[in-house]
Amino acid sequence: SAVISQKPSRDICQRGTSLTIQCQVDSQVTMMFWYRQQPGQSLTLIATANQGSEATYESGFVIDKFPISRPNLTFSTLTVSNMSPEDSSIYLCSGILNTEAFFGQGTRLTVV
Amino acid sequence: GNSVTQMEGPVTLSEEAFLTINCTYTATGYPSLFWYVQYPGEGLQLLLKATKADDKGSNKGFEATYRKETTSFHLEKGSVQVSDSAVYFCALIDAGNNRKLIWGLGTSLAVNP
Repeated sequence: SAVISQKPSRDICQRGTSLTIQCQVDSQVTMMFWYRQQPGQSLTLIATANQGSEATYESGFVIDKFPISRPNLTFSTLTVSNMSPEDSSIYLCSGILNTEAFFGQGTRLTVV
Repeated sequence: GNSVTQMEGPVTLSEEAFLTINCTYTATGYPSLFWYVQYPGEGLQLLLKATKADDKGSNKGFEATYRKETTSFHLEKGSVQVSDSAVYFCALIDAGNNRKLIWGLGTSLAVNP
């Protein structure tokens, strides 16, 4: 199994600012993913974080708004840039190890 | 494309009632199937999984059987407890699709004492 430490667990940010969320995995995982989860809803995939290359973004998400870093097989960051209240959500990172997906505890972001 | 269809909630049951949450899928190839649970205010946790046809995943009294003939992975528990109140997500990983997880919309379960 794998344990993913995600931080911060929550934050309240001013509109127009940026927040960087970090995920540290205790195992090397090939695939890491970033999700957004609105209250009471399912997960929406933002992007796949690729080690050594640019992230692959899903439709509706762009690199300028959600830049991602993946410097090695155990770490990734997601930045939410130029935030607006519509970015208020829970952000989750995930890694897949041996066909099982593990999740960080999530970052609850409120933009005011 | 790949998809997961999950029973809509919310589901409200009394303690000790029988639970079924339906999940069906469409996928190319032979996906692995999962149930994840999200307790109030907490992150997602793997509840159980099955990686091939006829496998039965089980954990904490919950069970689900991978039925290839009906493309289903229904979650069941014989006697629910108040502590089972949570949101349950059915998901699949298609090994051929960059190993992305495909998610159902989630089913909220409330168990009353």
